[in-house]
Amino acid sequence: GQSLEQPSEVTAVEGAIVQINCTYQTSGFYGLSWYQQHDGGAPTFLSYNGLDGLEETGRFSSFLSRSDSYGYLLLQELQMKDSASYFCAVRGNAGKSTFGDGTTLTVKP
Amino acid sequence: GAVVSQHPSWVICKSGTSVKIECRSLDFQATTMFWYRQFPKQSLMLMATSNEGSKATYEQGVEKDKFLINHASLTLSTLTVTSAHPEDSSFYICSATPEDRAILEEQYFGPGTRLTVT
Repeated sequence: GQSLEQPSEVTAVEGAIVQINCTYQTSGFYGLSWYQQHDGGAPTFLSYNGLDGLEETGRFSSFLSRSDSYGYLLLQELQMKDSASYFCAVRGNAGKSTFGDGTTLTVKP
Repeated sequence: GAVVSQHPSWVICKSGTSVKIECRSLDFQATTMFWYRQFPKQSLMLMATSNEGSKATYEQGVEKDKFLINHASLTLSTLTVTSAHPEDSSFYICSATPEDRAILEEQYFGPGTRLTVT
């Protein structure tokens, strides 16, 4: 089976940098994805790491260490609109994704 | 980019009735689509994998006779909640990956369908 752990809540101020960690235990692993979800909306894709290292996409970066079963999402220059839930998800066998419980990010002025 | 739509976006039905939710890939073909369910303040839970032209694969604990899945074409999968009860009230979300991309890459999610059973 798959299990993922991520913090339940994170709070930061506008302009700051925040890191959301994700550790996982899986029986099959092909990659770690990150999704953003605003209240009432569907998840939107942020980033995917299939190999170790850092992936950068604008203000968002994601890191993966497969040997440590660990990854993180880094959000820079935080904006109020970044307040949302962030989910890490492991892509496993047959393309199935298992999601973490989500981290609620609150950005304060 | 790849777009996935769902219909309806929200539905209210009476207990005991059935509800059909459609998931369409608008600008790509998808042999495989996934159906998730999300309760308030909780994570997405995979319910089943919808396979075009064959039977869906259900996750453990999901009743296949209650949640009927039909993937009749490369752009359409339907989820029918049969004999719905209040505990089935949830946010149902589908996802798909374009066939010409690795199944292990980005998933595209539909906007979700909010089901309320009274």
